Amino acid sequence: DGGITQSPKYLFRKEGQNVTLSCEQNLNHDAMYWYRQDPGQGLRLIYYSQIVNDFQKGDIAEGYSVSREKKESFPLTVTSAQKNPTAFYLCASSIYSGGGNEQFFGPGTRLTVL
Amino acid sequence: SQQGEEDPQALSIQEGENATMNCSYKTSINNLQWYRQNSGRGLVHLILIRSNEREKHSGRLRVTLDTSKKSSSLLITASRAADTASYFCATVQNTGTASKLTFGTGTRLQVTL
Repeated sequence: DGGITQSPKYLFRKEGQNVTLSCEQNLNHDAMYWYRQDPGQGLRLIYYSQIVNDFQKGDIAEGYSVSREKKESFPLTVTSAQKNPTAFYLCASSIYSGGGNEQFFGPGTRLTVL
Repeated sequence: SQQGEEDPQALSIQEGENATMNCSYKTSINNLQWYRQNSGRGLVHLILIRSNEREKHSGRLRVTLDTSKKSSSLLITASRAADTASYFCATVQNTGTASKLTFGTGTRLQVTL
């Protein structure tokens, strides 16, 4: 069963804590992406990776960090420096990043800061 | 920043009617894509239209693109209750080595029986 998975589905964090959101894909896609969605809004790009061991900042990277040590995995860390982290986080992948190919999305992680 | 703006923000229709959603954008694009999102879920790709195409069909979906007006429309014909979802347009600009999607704010479609 090919697809993209995210865990956990719900995550609660105390202020001042770092948390890491998991994203795994078995689609053999080169490119992976992290988006943030706030209520009633569209998606905003946090980070993206075109290939293993490479990643670039998106439009709202401040307070977030990522790594891409394996093709299948692109974890996102929400650090204590992120001022307003409560949001719905979506991970996506595409065959490669060039050419504007369609992206496949995971089911999302809803992060709430208490 | 968000490139696209969908119109209307919300749309309520009865089953069997057609639903039309519009998307306007600001800068030149490589292609434009439409996605669907059920409440609290991930997005699902519906259709991609390239900048040199004017119209594209997929099942009950019809997408048009007018690059001179920087706008696109998504038409869902013979709507069903299961079409209830948010619909987003996403534009792709030519950015060199990487192509990034920039999403609009979405249209919430409610189809009632």
